[in-house]
Amino acid sequence: KQEVTQIPAALSVPEGENLVLNCSFTDSAIYNLQWFRQDPGKGLTSLLLIQSSQREQTSGRLNASLDKSSGRSTLYIAASQPGDSATYLCAGLNNNDMRFGAGTRLTVKP
Amino acid sequence: GAVVSQHPSWVICKSGTSVKIECRSLDFQATTMFWYRQFPKQSLMLMATSNEGSKATYEQGVEKDKFLINHASLTLSTLTVTSAHPEDSSFYICSARDPAGNTIYFGEGSWLTVV
Repeated sequence: KQEVTQIPAALSVPEGENLVLNCSFTDSAIYNLQWFRQDPGKGLTSLLLIQSSQREQTSGRLNASLDKSSGRSTLYIAASQPGDSATYLCAGLNNNDMRFGAGTRLTVKP
Repeated sequence: GAVVSQHPSWVICKSGTSVKIECRSLDFQATTMFWYRQFPKQSLMLMATSNEGSKATYEQGVEKDKFLINHASLTLSTLTVTSAHPEDSSFYICSARDPAGNTIYFGEGSWLTVV
């Protein structure tokens, strides 16, 4: 079965820093890779969806890349803000299912 | 607006009773739906894959007789937690696969507390 891994598990940065979250997956035949945000006690907010034919997607200060051959995706957050503090999850969809990484818990300090 | 509706959002039940959670796709026919469980400070773990008109495929370690999944129509899947125990208290979330674009849409999630 597909496995999805995220590093680091937790990250604390001062406000204004640019940062990168990493996601790796074992199934190179994924259809797409999706990044989500989850606030404490809340559901999922979809941030970016990268189809297998795409290399990257951008939305505001967020940029996600996908390299199927190496099984990696990164989420780049520019000029981080305290409001970005949350858990970030990546998930890969293949023919059978969609599985999540364990998440990166981000804290942006004012 | 939401394309996948999950109900209820919050539910409290007594130990030993059963509780049903519904997951509906509103704008498309979902031949496949997924059910996840998330314990506090942990990630979302896939419980089972629900296919319309056939038996669900359960992940290893998930008791199929305890977590009953029914996908009787192309727009509705239900998860029934039977003989609920306080250890079943968790966040349950469903998603539906839109076959048109291989896009997954998630419900809002359901918080289950068993007392």
